Amino acid sequence: AQSVTQPDIHITVSEGASLELRCNYSYGATPYLFWYVQSPGQGLQLLLKYFSGDTLVQGIKGFEAEFKRSQSSFNLRKPSVHWSDAAEYFCAVMNTGFQKLVFGTGTRLLVSP
Amino acid sequence: ETGVTQSPTHLIKTRGQQVTLRCSSQSGHNTVSWYQQALGQGPQFIFQYYREEENGRGNFPPRFSGLQFPNYSSELNVNALELDDSALYLCASSLDRQGATGGLGANVLTFGAGSRLTVL
Repeated sequence: AQSVTQPDIHITVSEGASLELRCNYSYGATPYLFWYVQSPGQGLQLLLKYFSGDTLVQGIKGFEAEFKRSQSSFNLRKPSVHWSDAAEYFCAVMNTGFQKLVFGTGTRLLVSP
Repeated sequence: ETGVTQSPTHLIKTRGQQVTLRCSSQSGHNTVSWYQQALGQGPQFIFQYYREEENGRGNFPPRFSGLQFPNYSSELNVNALELDDSALYLCASSLDRQGATGGLGANVLTFGAGSRLTVL
């Protein structure tokens, strides 16, 4: 069965500092991988996705993520965090046979001045 | 293009009652999925509808049911509400893999803002 682990429940980063959110997945084959962001009271917005090819993917709002097959990881990064990035971030995996997303439990990002 | 819209945005029910949540798909999308997000948790897959039929189901009891209409909009119905049903219910639309040009574009789900259900 597929699963996603986001080991950090909360992360606090100073504005302007770099960010890395961790995501590990369990899936038998190469999965489709996603990062979504959820602001308070809002739905989910897609930041970026990985299907195949180049393992470093660029997304919206200056985010990027790197797929590492050997580590079963898909970590999200941003070189300089803005206060507006404060939100909940979810990593998700989709199998190649069915359009079902399996989400991690999320990481809440707090941005300090 | 219009996004995914859900209604109502908030509602309060009591145990044992029934609730219907509604979702309009993004323009051009023909597949609808529903997810339940309990407080402090990631979304959990409830089921998916394609061509007006259930096309896959997560670990939810039969009192969770759905419909998809010819215009691809959808409803989620929950009978005999329990306290643990309190959650944010998210609808997502997508294009089926057979219909998507380029194939992989079908795997992108667009989510609505959700319906927050409180069961007292």
